Amino acid sequence: DTEVTQTPKHLVMGMTNKKSLKCEQHMGHRAMYWYKQKAKKPPELMFVYSYEKLSINESVPSRFSPECPNSSLLNLHLHALQPEDSALYLCASSPERVSYEQYFGPGTRLTVT
Amino acid sequence: QKEVEQNSGPLSVPEGAIASLNCTYSDRGSQSFFWYRQYSGKSPELIMFIYSNGDKEDGRFTAQLNKASQYVSLLIRDSQPSDSATYLCAFNAGNNRKLIWGLGTSLAVNP
Repeated sequence: DTEVTQTPKHLVMGMTNKKSLKCEQHMGHRAMYWYKQKAKKPPELMFVYSYEKLSINESVPSRFSPECPNSSLLNLHLHALQPEDSALYLCASSPERVSYEQYFGPGTRLTVT
Repeated sequence: QKEVEQNSGPLSVPEGAIASLNCTYSDRGSQSFFWYRQYSGKSPELIMFIYSNGDKEDGRFTAQLNKASQYVSLLIRDSQPSDSATYLCAFNAGNNRKLIWGLGTSLAVNP
């Protein structure tokens, strides 16, 4: 089973709203990721959690705040976003193998109005 | 700077033909290489990964890695219209979890 789930599927929010994206995996993976993807571009890494600790932050603006409550869950808290933040937000996880292959969830389509 | 280069396409092949997708990379220290398929509006799906020189086969897909020449390719045999998608190659940037991505090749399989 290589399933990563994400909720919600779609989200529309205003620039003053606060919302959260959720990600869950039950494959026993100890690394989880947040990516942002714009149309016709590859995924852009935002954050990496390894063993529930933040290991990579790709200089993401503070209006994006990640949280890893446990080894299966990953949240992305959103606050005061801009219209240019509209994108597909992807969660991924990877096993503890040297190959570090990543398995993606279905994504959350975010629109900021 | 670590980079991946892919022909953006579109690559168009007839149904039943072999589709050949190629990727070159700049970092000789790269260890693992990945091919993802992404349908329009959907998330990337891992279809192959390879970290040893040579060929790796999985069903209709074969990944080929040549570290000396710094290229990795994906062959899709008996191409089907359902294979029409964007194919992204990526490699890991050394001993960490960060992937370096190509821009993707758009494949169209024509019935």
